[in-house]
Amino acid sequence: AQSVTQPDIHITVSEGASLELRCNYSYGATPYLFWYVQSPGQGLQLLLKYFSGDTLVQGIKGFEAEFKRSQSSFNLRKPSVHWSDAAEYFCAAYYYGGSQGNLIFGKGTKLSVKP
Amino acid sequence: ETGVTQTPRHLVMGMTNKKSLKCEQHLGHNAMYWYKQSAKKPLELMFVYSLEERVENNSVPSRFSPECPNSSHLFLHLHTLQPEDSALYLCASSRGKTGVDSPLHFGNGTRLTVT
Repeated sequence: AQSVTQPDIHITVSEGASLELRCNYSYGATPYLFWYVQSPGQGLQLLLKYFSGDTLVQGIKGFEAEFKRSQSSFNLRKPSVHWSDAAEYFCAAYYYGGSQGNLIFGKGTKLSVKP
Repeated sequence: ETGVTQTPRHLVMGMTNKKSLKCEQHLGHNAMYWYKQSAKKPLELMFVYSLEERVENNSVPSRFSPECPNSSHLFLHLHTLQPEDSALYLCASSRGKTGVDSPLHFGNGTRLTVT
Protein backbone atom coordinates (compact mmCIF):
# COMPACT_ATOMS: atom_id res chain seq x y z
CA ALA A 1 0.00 0.00 0.00
CA GLN A 2 1.14 3.52 -0.65
CA SER A 3 2.12 5.10 2.62
CA VAL A 4 4.48 7.52 4.25
CA THR A 5 5.41 6.92 7.86
CA GLN A 6 6.62 9.51 10.30
CA PRO A 7 7.33 7.47 13.44
CA ASP A 8 7.53 10.41 15.83
CA ILE A 9 4.28 12.21 16.58
CA HIS A 10 5.87 14.84 18.81
CA ILE A 11 9.49 15.83 19.41
CA THR A 12 10.87 18.40 21.82
CA VAL A 13 14.38 19.81 21.41
CA SER A 14 16.26 22.59 23.10
CA GLU A 15 17.01 25.73 21.16
CA GLY A 16 20.42 25.40 19.54
CA ALA A 17 20.34 21.61 19.56
CA SER A 18 20.41 19.53 16.40
CA LEU A 19 17.26 18.02 14.95
CA GLU A 20 16.42 14.94 12.92
CA LEU A 21 12.88 14.09 11.87
CA ARG A 22 12.33 10.65 10.45
CA CYS A 23 10.39 9.68 7.36
CA ASN A 24 9.99 6.32 5.66
CA TYR A 25 8.08 5.64 2.47
CA SER A 26 6.63 2.39 1.30
CA TYR A 27 7.83 0.47 -1.74
CA GLY A 28 6.62 1.88 -5.01
CA ALA A 29 7.25 5.56 -4.46
CA THR A 30 8.88 7.20 -7.44
CA PRO A 31 10.76 8.52 -5.39
CA TYR A 32 9.84 12.13 -5.53
CA LEU A 33 10.06 13.14 -1.92
CA PHE A 34 9.13 16.30 -0.09
CA TRP A 35 9.14 17.95 3.30
CA TYR A 36 6.53 20.56 4.14
CA VAL A 37 6.20 22.67 7.30
CA GLN A 38 3.00 23.99 8.83
CA SER A 39 3.16 26.79 11.37
CA PRO A 40 0.17 27.23 13.70
CA GLY A 41 -2.87 28.64 11.91
CA GLN A 42 -1.25 28.44 8.52
CA GLY A 43 -1.11 26.22 5.48
CA LEU A 44 1.80 24.02 4.49
CA GLN A 45 4.98 25.45 3.01
CA LEU A 46 7.52 23.47 0.99
CA LEU A 47 10.87 23.12 2.76
CA LEU A 48 12.68 20.98 0.22
CA LYS A 49 12.27 18.23 -2.34
CA TYR A 50 14.23 15.37 -3.83
CA PHE A 51 13.79 14.17 -7.40
CA SER A 52 17.16 12.74 -8.41
CA GLY A 53 20.87 13.38 -8.22
CA ASP A 54 22.67 14.30 -5.04
CA THR A 55 20.99 12.44 -2.19
CA LEU A 56 21.59 15.29 0.24
CA VAL A 57 19.27 18.17 -0.57
CA GLN A 58 19.29 21.63 0.90
CA GLY A 59 16.10 23.52 1.65
CA ILE A 60 14.95 26.78 3.06
CA LYS A 61 15.44 27.92 6.66
CA GLY A 62 18.65 25.93 7.04
CA PHE A 63 17.03 22.49 6.66
CA GLU A 64 18.47 19.59 4.74
CA ALA A 65 17.31 16.06 4.04
CA GLU A 66 19.07 12.90 2.97
CA PHE A 67 17.54 10.30 0.68
CA LYS A 68 18.59 6.73 1.46
CA ARG A 69 17.12 4.28 -1.02
CA SER A 70 18.33 1.21 0.89
CA GLN A 71 16.41 2.34 3.96
CA SER A 72 13.44 3.90 2.11
CA SER A 73 14.06 6.96 4.21
CA PHE A 74 14.14 10.69 3.71
CA ASN A 75 15.04 12.20 7.08
CA LEU A 76 14.99 15.91 7.70
CA ARG A 77 17.81 17.55 9.64
CA LYS A 78 18.87 20.89 11.00
CA PRO A 79 22.16 21.45 12.85
CA SER A 80 20.84 24.13 15.23
CA VAL A 81 17.16 24.64 15.95
CA HIS A 82 15.67 28.07 16.49
CA TRP A 83 12.52 28.79 18.51
CA SER A 84 10.78 29.84 15.27
CA ASP A 85 11.16 26.28 13.95
CA ALA A 86 8.39 25.12 16.29
CA ALA A 87 5.76 23.81 13.87
CA GLU A 88 4.43 20.60 12.39
CA TYR A 89 6.48 18.89 9.70
CA PHE A 90 5.06 16.67 6.98
CA CYS A 91 6.91 14.27 4.75
CA ALA A 92 5.32 13.39 1.40
CA ALA A 93 6.07 10.97 -1.42
CA TYR A 94 4.71 10.80 -4.92
CA TYR A 95 3.38 7.52 -6.27
CA TYR A 96 2.43 6.88 -9.88
CA GLY A 97 -0.89 5.10 -10.38
CA GLY A 98 -3.38 4.95 -13.23
CA SER A 99 -3.82 8.19 -15.08
CA GLN A 100 -2.97 10.33 -12.11
CA GLY A 101 -0.27 9.93 -9.53
CA ASN A 102 -0.77 10.54 -5.86
CA LEU A 103 1.12 12.72 -3.46
CA ILE A 104 0.88 10.86 -0.16
CA PHE A 105 1.53 12.69 3.09
CA GLY A 106 2.64 11.33 6.42
CA LYS A 107 0.72 12.12 9.61
CA GLY A 108 3.20 14.77 10.60
CA THR A 109 5.66 15.36 13.44
CA LYS A 110 5.04 18.22 15.80
CA LEU A 111 8.21 19.97 16.87
CA SER A 112 8.39 21.89 20.12
CA VAL A 113 11.44 24.00 20.98
CA LYS A 114 12.33 24.74 24.58
CA PRO A 115 14.50 27.69 25.60
CA GLU B 1 0.64 36.62 1.99
CA THR B 2 0.75 33.09 0.64
CA GLY B 3 -0.72 33.81 -2.79
CA VAL B 4 -3.58 31.46 -1.97
CA THR B 5 -6.42 33.01 0.01
CA GLN B 6 -9.14 31.03 1.73
CA THR B 7 -12.36 32.35 3.23
CA PRO B 8 -13.76 32.09 5.77
CA ARG B 9 -11.00 31.22 8.24
CA HIS B 10 -13.50 29.65 10.62
CA LEU B 11 -16.94 28.22 10.00
CA VAL B 12 -19.42 26.65 12.38
CA MET B 13 -22.43 25.02 10.79
CA GLY B 14 -25.26 22.74 11.73
CA MET B 15 -25.81 19.45 9.99
CA THR B 16 -28.72 20.81 7.97
CA ASN B 17 -26.98 23.98 6.77
CA LYS B 18 -25.56 24.73 3.36
CA LYS B 19 -22.36 26.70 3.18
CA SER B 20 -19.47 27.23 0.79
CA LEU B 21 -15.73 27.53 1.21
CA LYS B 22 -13.87 29.82 -1.15
CA CYS B 23 -10.31 29.71 -2.42
CA GLU B 24 -8.56 32.19 -4.67
CA GLN B 25 -5.02 31.97 -6.01
CA HIS B 26 -3.01 34.88 -7.36
CA LEU B 27 -0.07 32.86 -8.66
CA GLY B 28 -1.15 32.13 -12.23
CA HIS B 29 -1.29 28.41 -11.49
CA ASN B 30 -3.27 25.93 -13.59
CA ALA B 31 -4.19 23.39 -10.94
CA MET B 32 -6.11 23.73 -7.70
CA TYR B 33 -6.73 21.23 -4.92
CA TRP B 34 -8.89 20.65 -1.87
CA TYR B 35 -7.34 18.77 1.04
CA LYS B 36 -8.87 17.70 4.34
CA GLN B 37 -6.66 17.81 7.42
CA SER B 38 -7.97 15.94 10.45
CA ALA B 39 -6.19 15.42 13.75
CA LYS B 40 -3.89 12.41 13.83
CA LYS B 41 -4.55 11.57 10.16
CA PRO B 42 -2.51 12.18 7.03
CA LEU B 43 -3.54 15.00 4.77
CA GLU B 44 -6.31 13.67 2.51
CA LEU B 45 -6.62 14.80 -1.08
CA MET B 46 -10.26 15.43 -1.93
CA PHE B 47 -10.37 17.03 -5.36
CA VAL B 48 -7.99 18.22 -8.06
CA TYR B 49 -8.84 20.61 -10.86
CA SER B 50 -6.52 21.20 -13.78
CA LEU B 51 -7.42 23.99 -16.18
CA GLU B 52 -10.87 24.08 -14.58
CA GLU B 53 -11.50 20.41 -15.31
CA ARG B 54 -11.83 17.97 -12.42
CA VAL B 55 -9.11 15.35 -12.73
CA GLU B 56 -9.31 13.72 -9.34
CA ASN B 57 -12.13 12.83 -7.00
CA ASN B 58 -10.95 10.63 -4.20
CA SER B 59 -14.22 8.92 -3.28
CA VAL B 60 -15.42 11.97 -1.45
CA PRO B 61 -19.04 11.85 -0.20
CA SER B 62 -21.51 13.76 -2.32
CA ARG B 63 -22.24 16.14 0.54
CA PHE B 64 -19.02 17.83 -0.62
CA SER B 65 -19.40 19.45 -4.04
CA PRO B 66 -16.50 21.30 -5.66
CA GLU B 67 -16.76 24.04 -8.24
CA CYS B 68 -13.99 25.64 -10.29
CA PRO B 69 -15.39 28.48 -12.40
CA ASN B 70 -11.95 29.58 -13.60
CA SER B 71 -8.32 28.78 -12.91
CA SER B 72 -8.09 31.32 -10.10
CA HIS B 73 -11.10 30.32 -8.04
CA LEU B 74 -12.18 27.14 -6.34
CA PHE B 75 -15.20 26.51 -4.16
CA LEU B 76 -16.27 23.68 -1.92
CA HIS B 77 -20.02 23.56 -1.40
CA LEU B 78 -21.14 21.84 1.77
CA HIS B 79 -24.55 20.45 2.66
CA THR B 80 -25.94 18.07 5.27
CA LEU B 81 -22.53 17.50 6.79
CA GLN B 82 -21.75 15.14 9.64
CA PRO B 83 -19.81 15.93 12.82
CA GLU B 84 -16.91 13.79 11.56
CA ASP B 85 -16.51 16.26 8.71
CA SER B 86 -15.15 18.78 11.20
CA ALA B 87 -11.57 19.45 10.11
CA LEU B 88 -9.23 21.99 8.56
CA TYR B 89 -9.89 22.28 4.83
CA LEU B 90 -6.87 23.38 2.88
CA CYS B 91 -6.81 24.73 -0.63
CA ALA B 92 -3.65 24.51 -2.70
CA SER B 93 -2.51 25.40 -6.18
CA SER B 94 0.36 24.46 -8.45
CA ARG B 95 1.57 25.03 -12.00
CA GLY B 96 1.21 21.38 -12.94
CA LYS B 97 -1.56 19.01 -11.94
CA THR B 98 0.46 16.67 -9.77
CA GLY B 99 2.05 18.88 -7.14
CA VAL B 100 5.35 17.31 -8.14
CA ASP B 101 6.83 19.23 -11.04
CA SER B 102 5.91 22.40 -9.26
CA PRO B 103 5.33 22.58 -5.52
CA LEU B 104 1.96 22.99 -3.90
CA HIS B 105 1.18 26.42 -2.52
CA PHE B 106 -1.29 26.19 0.32
CA GLY B 107 -3.77 28.63 1.76
CA ASN B 108 -4.15 29.03 5.51
CA GLY B 109 -7.23 26.83 5.56
CA THR B 110 -10.80 27.02 6.78
CA ARG B 111 -11.42 25.49 10.20
CA LEU B 112 -14.82 23.83 9.90
CA THR B 113 -16.85 22.72 12.88
CA VAL B 114 -20.06 20.77 12.31
CA THR B 115 -22.44 20.80 15.25
